Amino acid sequence: EAQVTQNPRYLITVTGKKLTVTCSQNMNHEYMSWYRQDPGLGLRQIYYSMNVEVTDKGDVPEGYKVSRKEKRNFPLILESPSPNQTSLYFCASSRLASGRRTGELFFGEGSRLTVL
Amino acid sequence: QQPVQSPQAVILREGEDAVINCSSSKALYSVHWYRQKHGEAPIFLMILLKGGEQKGHDKISASFNEKKQQSSLYLTASQLSYSGTYFCGTAASGAGSYQLTFGKGTKLSVIP
Repeated sequence: EAQVTQNPRYLITVTGKKLTVTCSQNMNHEYMSWYRQDPGLGLRQIYYSMNVEVTDKGDVPEGYKVSRKEKRNFPLILESPSPNQTSLYFCASSRLASGRRTGELFFGEGSRLTVL
Repeated sequence: QQPVQSPQAVILREGEDAVINCSSSKALYSVHWYRQKHGEAPIFLMILLKGGEQKGHDKISASFNEKKQQSSLYLTASQLSYSGTYFCGTAASGAGSYQLTFGKGTKLSVIP
């Protein structure tokens, strides 16, 4: 079954304790992206990756890191989490359509993170 | 910069029609539309590319006016299953632009 898998789905942590949210896709997609969703703000892009070892900042990258060492994995790293990073996080992937543009996005189920 | 969606929320009775608008300040290459039900991940509806195309399936269709940097999503004869939050995502024109930016969403509620 084609899917994007995120872990953990739920996490409560404390300020400053490093954490990683993993994302894996089994569709051989070139493009992967992280979004955070907050009430009233919609989906805001954190980072995206066009292929292995190629990443770029989205609209809200501060406080986050990513890496793309393998095509299927795109982990999101919070080196020193703060309460303003409490949010619902979605990982998404897609093939790159003609013109090297993002195609249909497949989203993971989301990871709800609370930073105390 | 996020595209602007309107309205922010709309309540419909079953069978009524709705239009959701998405407007950007940038020249656009494409517009995506997604629907998200409460507690679930967003689900893809359709992509429209520059060229002023229109797309649709079942009773949901959309148009894209690249000159105005606007897209509209049309829901005809709404069903209870159409309830959810609708997001447009925009990709700017210009070489190498892979960023997809979403609006804040339009909450659609369909009641019996």
